[in-house]
Amino acid sequence: GEDVEQSLFLSVREGDSSVINCTYTDSSSTYLYWYKQEPGAGLQLLTYIFSNMDMKQDQRLTVLLNKKDKHLSLRIADTQTGDSAIYFCAESGRTGRRALTFGSGTRLQVQP
Amino acid sequence: NAGVTQTPKFRILKIGQSMTLQCTQDMNHNYMYWYRQDPGMGLKLIYYSVGAGITDKGEVPNGYNVSRSTTEDFPLRLELAAPSQTSVYFCASTSGGVYNEQFFGPGTRLTVL
Repeated sequence: GEDVEQSLFLSVREGDSSVINCTYTDSSSTYLYWYKQEPGAGLQLLTYIFSNMDMKQDQRLTVLLNKKDKHLSLRIADTQTGDSAIYFCAESGRTGRRALTFGSGTRLQVQP
Repeated sequence: NAGVTQTPKFRILKIGQSMTLQCTQDMNHNYMYWYRQDPGMGLKLIYYSVGAGITDKGEVPNGYNVSRSTTEDFPLRLELAAPSQTSVYFCASTSGGVYNEQFFGPGTRLTVL
């Protein structure tokens, strides 16, 4: 079955790098995603990576994918207080319904 | 474009009451979804639709019903509210295109007392 796991909490100082990790079990995942949820808001897509890629960089965000270990990470460089939020890892399998399977989210707290 | 809109934003129900959560998208997306988010948990799929007139159950459908008479609207019905349905409900949609980006509404926070 499909399962996505994340650590629950990460605290960093402003200006440091943050690394949020995720493991998944569905080897047929075509895309893997990182969504950001700010307090009281819906989820917003931050970035995604196709399953045949190892790395994707988008400004301050770097996504690393290790398909062998089914491990995904999100690195945020120069973390700012505005980055404080919950970050969800999600995967999209090959099923026709196109639904996502989400992890439980990692709460990132950025200390000034 | 307004994207995905949901109403109401907040609601308190008594046990046994019924209500409909509304969801509308203006992006002409075929795929629409209802998820629930319990505290400290990820999102769980309740129901989904791949087009007007077509709906199917997700992982946690018990106690809910949906309909999809138009491309734009995908309401979620709770018939007999129970405390276990206290949650935040998110509607989402996607065109199902190349990388399948899902667009989320702002959520409805429901409390059943």
